[in-house]
Amino acid sequence: GAVVSQHPSWVICKSGTSVKIECRSLDFQATTMFWYRQFPKQSLMLMATSNEGSKATYEQGVEKDKFLINHASLTLSTLTVTSAHPEDSSFYICSAAPGQGRETQYFGPGTRLLVL
Amino acid sequence: SQKIEQNSEALNIQEGKTATLTCNYTNYSPAYLQWYRQDPGRGPVFLLLIRENEKEKRKERLKVTFDTTLKQSLFHITASQPADSATYLCALRSGGGGADGLTFGKGTHLIIQP
Repeated sequence: GAVVSQHPSWVICKSGTSVKIECRSLDFQATTMFWYRQFPKQSLMLMATSNEGSKATYEQGVEKDKFLINHASLTLSTLTVTSAHPEDSSFYICSAAPGQGRETQYFGPGTRLLVL
Repeated sequence: SQKIEQNSEALNIQEGKTATLTCNYTNYSPAYLQWYRQDPGRGPVFLLLIRENEKEKRKERLKVTFDTTLKQSLFHITASQPADSATYLCALRSGGGGADGLTFGKGTHLIIQP
């Protein structure tokens, strides 16, 4: 149980285009989902917290107009990287927490984004 | 500012020995601490959670200790195997209600040599 999927697993796009990444909890409902970004040999960095039915909360330094998050249902959150640039190339990972206040987060397999 | 530090970027251990990884933190008062395993190109996989009132927790060949006075957690893998080779991440979340995101250390790359 507690499986989280991401789609696509990797994407290559041209600079200036927008890319949408989906995060799904397959066998549980997730009130809260999180989006992280990881650069090579670096730690995962929390970008934003996504709550079903409300606006996402972004970490300091993360542009909310550039990284659009939609958590339309209890099993799906999407991250859209708008007008992507080469510096946005990274490994994007989502996680889901099954219920308010639950301690354990289940992570997706990640999406590798390369912006040319 | 809050900081999580993990010992060395790479740790080489002979198969069968015990691997010990360290996580130190500053400017946190965590309600609990978590350890994750991350393989290359993959998302983290949850291993263990230890609470502030627990000194030690075990799961099969894994053992975690938590010293809130020293602000340190130790992660042990006994009878290590080459399949244990991976990066191990320490993560913290502040106490309180709600579901906050995790702050991760950079991780320790563990290599178990046959």
